Amino acid sequence: AQSVTQLDSHVSVSEGTPVLLRCNYSSSYSPSLFWYVQHPNKGLQLLLKYTSAATLVKGINGFEAEFKKSETSFHLTKPSAHMSDAAEYFCVVSDHNYGQNFVFGPGTRLSVLP
Amino acid sequence: NAGVTQTPKFQVLKTGQSMTLQCAQDMNHEYMSWYRQDPGMGLRLIHYSVGAGITDQGEVPNGYNVSRSTTEDFPLRLLSAAPSQTSVYFCASSYSGREAGETQYFGPGTRLLVL
Repeated sequence: AQSVTQLDSHVSVSEGTPVLLRCNYSSSYSPSLFWYVQHPNKGLQLLLKYTSAATLVKGINGFEAEFKKSETSFHLTKPSAHMSDAAEYFCVVSDHNYGQNFVFGPGTRLSVLP
Repeated sequence: NAGVTQTPKFQVLKTGQSMTLQCAQDMNHEYMSWYRQDPGMGLRLIHYSVGAGITDQGEVPNGYNVSRSTTEDFPLRLLSAAPSQTSVYFCASSYSGREAGETQYFGPGTRLLVL
């Protein structure tokens, strides 16, 4: 069975400082991994995804994530936080045994302080 | 393209009432799905469909029905609403549903309150 752990329910950073949102997954097969962002009272938007190509994945708005199979991790980073990055972030796993059935982590709320 | 649309945006129901949440997509996607979002739990899959006439249950299907008569539409029916169904509901779609790496596109959500 697949599962996702997001180690921090809330992360607070100052504007201009780095962002690190942690994600660990469990999957029986070769997984695909996604990060989605949800701004307040909005739907979910894809930030980036890993699908067994390059292990360092670049996404929109300066975010990137690195797939580390040995650590079963897919942490999301950004060098410099912007006020507009304040949102809820979800790590998602999907593996080829389950097709498109996404399994979501519980989410990490990112606050950006001025 | 409008993408994935959902109606209504917000609904209040009394316990025992029924209603249908509408979802439509204009991207000719085969795969469509319904999730519910509850605080601290991420999104959980209710039902999904891999094409017109084909539906299946997800993680939390009890109390919900779906049908898929067309490629475009995937309504979610609450047969007899309960306070435990108070949640935000998201519809999503993807191209075929056969590859794990396909991106799912989400609608804006329907916020449901059951009193």
